Amino acid sequence: EVQLVETGGGLVQPGGSLRLSCAASGFIINSKYMSWVRQAPGKGLEWVSVIYTSGTTYYADSVKGRFAISRDNSENTVYLQMNSLRVEDTAVYYCAREGDGFSYDSWGQGTPVTVSS
Amino acid sequence: SYELTQAPSLSVSPGQTASITCSGDKLGDKFASWYQKKPGQSPVVVIYQDVKRPSGIPERFSASNSGNTATLTISGTQTMDEADYYCQAWDNNNWVFGGGTKLTVL
Repeated sequence: EVQLVETGGGLVQPGGSLRLSCAASGFIINSKYMSWVRQAPGKGLEWVSVIYTSGTTYYADSVKGRFAISRDNSENTVYLQMNSLRVEDTAVYYCAREGDGFSYDSWGQGTPVTVSS
Repeated sequence: SYELTQAPSLSVSPGQTASITCSGDKLGDKFASWYQKKPGQSPVVVIYQDVKRPSGIPERFSASNSGNTATLTISGTQTMDEADYYCQAWDNNNWVFGGGTKLTVL
């Protein structure tokens, strides 16, 4: 059974940093594209970042230069390093696994991030 | 950057057909996916590759994608279908979501 478990969310001040983790089980993370998707309070889903099977990474314009996605194959875990956090980064962050046709077939339960002074 | 547009809300009575649309430039040339999102829960894919239904998704969910519009259709809508629905497509190494449509069943 595929399972994704996110951890690392919390309260941080503007300008601060946070690292989110997504521990995967039931499959090998470097065999799939892995993404982070977020949902701000009262807003819709927003794609944040992806790491391809090749290791190539891409980011939404809103986080480019501030966030970094990575993976540890030995731990079967994907990370999102978030620096220079802004109030507008406040959201629930989901880890998601690529399915067919660039869809997401599995999602974690989400971890909340609040950026506030 | 690529954009997908959805109506913010739709209301139907139980048993009726709900049609939720998603528009984007030449969307029919891309694969469209649809997600159901209920408050406090993670998104669930209900349609992928334009028309495919994952195992466990009821047959009342169907979809199409042509031209500039993708459509999610829920036939015989049930109260349990009340949720936010998001379309999604891939464009130039970006995953793009529509703004979401809040489906109310009453």
